[in-house]
Amino acid sequence: NAGVTQTPKFQVLKTGQSMTLQCAQDMNHNSMYWYRQDPGMGLRLIYYSASEGTTDKGEVPNGYNVSRLNKREFSLRLESAAPSQTSVYFCAGLRVGKDTQYFGPGTRLTVL
Amino acid sequence: AQKITQTQPGMFVQEKEAVTLDCTYDTSDQSYGLFWYKQPSSGEMIFLIYQGSYDEQNATEGRYSLNFQKARKSANLVISASQLGDSAMYFCAMREGLWGNNNDMRFGAGTRLTVKP
Repeated sequence: NAGVTQTPKFQVLKTGQSMTLQCAQDMNHNSMYWYRQDPGMGLRLIYYSASEGTTDKGEVPNGYNVSRLNKREFSLRLESAAPSQTSVYFCAGLRVGKDTQYFGPGTRLTVL
Repeated sequence: AQKITQTQPGMFVQEKEAVTLDCTYDTSDQSYGLFWYKQPSSGEMIFLIYQGSYDEQNATEGRYSLNFQKARKSANLVISASQLGDSAMYFCAMREGLWGNNNDMRFGAGTRLTVKP
C-alpha cells in the first residue's frame, strides 16, 4: 500500500518545453487534487477531480491541463512551461467518508 | 481577502513545553472543515488534525489539539510537550461547504516552528 505516489521527484525544464506530472493512488480515493507550493507559501489548488471522468479548476489553473485517466491516476500537464511555474507540485487524494486529504511526496519542478 | 491567516511566520518553543500556533479563517458558509498539516524539512505534507464546523468538542489527536472558537473564527493548534521532531512548517487549511459540493481547500502561509533543546 504505497498511498499517493508521484513521478518524477525532480524535473528541470527549459522555457517552452512540455511535460506531464504523474500521480497515482491505491487508497481507493474518489477525489484527487493538484496543488503547487511556491517558496515560503502555502499550497494553492490548481485542479481537482471529484470523480473519475470529471475535472474542475481550482485557484490557479492557468497554464495547466489535467486528465483523470481512471480512478487511480490523475495527471497534470504543462504544455509550454514558463519560469513562473517553478514550484513544488503536490498531488492529493480524498476518500469519501474520510474528511481529509492525503498527499504525495511532491515533485520539485524548475523551469529555466 | 485572505481565507486563512496565520500571523506567526516563526515561533520558538523550549523542548517539553506547550506551544500554540494561531489560525483565523474567513467564511460565510455554515458547513466547513479546518485542518492542520505539518511539513518537515523533507517536504512531505503530514495530516495532523481536523475540526468540522458542527463539531461541538475540540478535536484532539495525541499531543495535538485544536482550539476551535467559532464565533471568533479561530482554529489554533496546540502542541503539548514539544519534541525536537516537532520542528517544521505548520499549515492551517479550510474547506468550505461539503466535500462533493465544493472541493476547494485553501491554505494559510504557514508558521515555522523551531523546538529548542
